[in-house]
Amino acid sequence: AQSVSQHNHHVILSEAASLELGCNYSYGGTVNLFWYVQYPGQHLQLLLKYFSGDPLVKGIKGFEAEFIKSKFSFNLRKPSVQWSDTAEYFCAVNEETGANNLFFGTGTRLTVIP
Amino acid sequence: KAGVTQTPRYLIKTRGQQVTLSCSPISGHRSVSWYQQTPGQGLQFLFEYFSETQRNKGNFPGRFSGRQFSNSRSEMNVSTLELGDSALYLCASSLGQGKIDTQYFGPGTRLTVL
Repeated sequence: AQSVSQHNHHVILSEAASLELGCNYSYGGTVNLFWYVQYPGQHLQLLLKYFSGDPLVKGIKGFEAEFIKSKFSFNLRKPSVQWSDTAEYFCAVNEETGANNLFFGTGTRLTVIP
Repeated sequence: KAGVTQTPRYLIKTRGQQVTLSCSPISGHRSVSWYQQTPGQGLQFLFEYFSETQRNKGNFPGRFSGRQFSNSRSEMNVSTLELGDSALYLCASSLGQGKIDTQYFGPGTRLTVL
């Protein structure tokens, strides 16, 4: 079965600091990759996704992620975080087999200090 | 377009009871997936329905069941509730066709089992 690892459980940053959240998955076949964000009191929202093509994908709110196939990784980055980025971030993987079930990482809580 | 809606938003039940949760997908979406979110296990896939048929199933006991109606609305049922069923139940909808698909999540139903 697919497993998704997010090694950072809680990250605390000051505003304007750069962010990188790690995500690794185990499936060796073709995958679709996602980052979702859950702001306090809100529902899961799609931040960005990778299906194919350019391995560097850009999402909303200045976030980007890089797919490195050889490392089974899909790390999320943002050059300068804001207080409003405080949220929980989930990496998710879908095996491109036609099965529409996402495997989620355990999430990373990001706290941005003003 | 209206997003995914879930009702009710909060439920309190006692052990042994059963519960039904409802999900209305984004207009035009034919796939509805259900996930359970708990602090200990994170986000776990329950099942997916497409065109009124269960297409995929996660690793949950038979007490968890679902169905989908012709208008793509879906219900999830949990029978003989246990304390461990306390969780946030999330519904996600997507177009459901092809190997490339994006799921959009609703706000969830928070179930508390006493």
